[in-house]
Amino acid sequence: EPEVTQTPSHQVTQMGQEVILRCVPISNHLYFYWYRQILGQKVEFLVSFYNNEISEKSEIFDDQFSVERPDGSNFTLKIRSTKLEDSAMYFCASIQGLANYGYTFGSGTRLTVV
Amino acid sequence: GENVEQHPSTLSVQEGDSAVIKCTYSDSASNYFPWYKQELGKGPQLIIDIRSNVGEKKDQRIAVTLNKTAKHFSLHITETQPEDSAVYFCAAASGTYKYIFGTGTRLKVLA
Repeated sequence: EPEVTQTPSHQVTQMGQEVILRCVPISNHLYFYWYRQILGQKVEFLVSFYNNEISEKSEIFDDQFSVERPDGSNFTLKIRSTKLEDSAMYFCASIQGLANYGYTFGSGTRLTVV
Repeated sequence: GENVEQHPSTLSVQEGDSAVIKCTYSDSASNYFPWYKQELGKGPQLIIDIRSNVGEKKDQRIAVTLNKTAKHFSLHITETQPEDSAVYFCAAASGTYKYIFGTGTRLKVLA
């Protein structure tokens, strides 16, 4: 069964440093998402991406965040200057298109900001 | 904006018993309601979903019911097994495909 792949599985970074979280969505999927889950809390929407541009973003997704699909396969989330409160699990998800609402999630990247 | 409430936050059942998890949503435009199972250290896995034009859907031991008028939907797991132990999330979505998740239910199936 096709999978969404995320790397790294765990990233530890110093506060103020930049991090890039990487995702390889399923190859024929067209809509891509980033969600985050702070430990013990619910999964929260960050951003959706379609046709090489952001289609929607949440209040959490401020100027410190950016997304990119640099080469047609990878989908990256960059946090420019990490804060302690950015520590969370970050999940990438993708869906094929209009007829299929069911996300396939990756296994996540645990980001720890120290 | 959309808000999804989920209850209970924890649920313990004996193996073989049924488990029911309930969610309510606020946005009447929501038209898709998936349920996800999350095991420790893994990403959420879709287990069943329902669209707003359907009242009930069943897949083996798992069923979901939707009451559009009351804006609530429920997950029913029958004949629970230890491997059903996990955190379950409901979500609501509209045409933008953005999911709003519930707060999760930690289900423990006691052998």
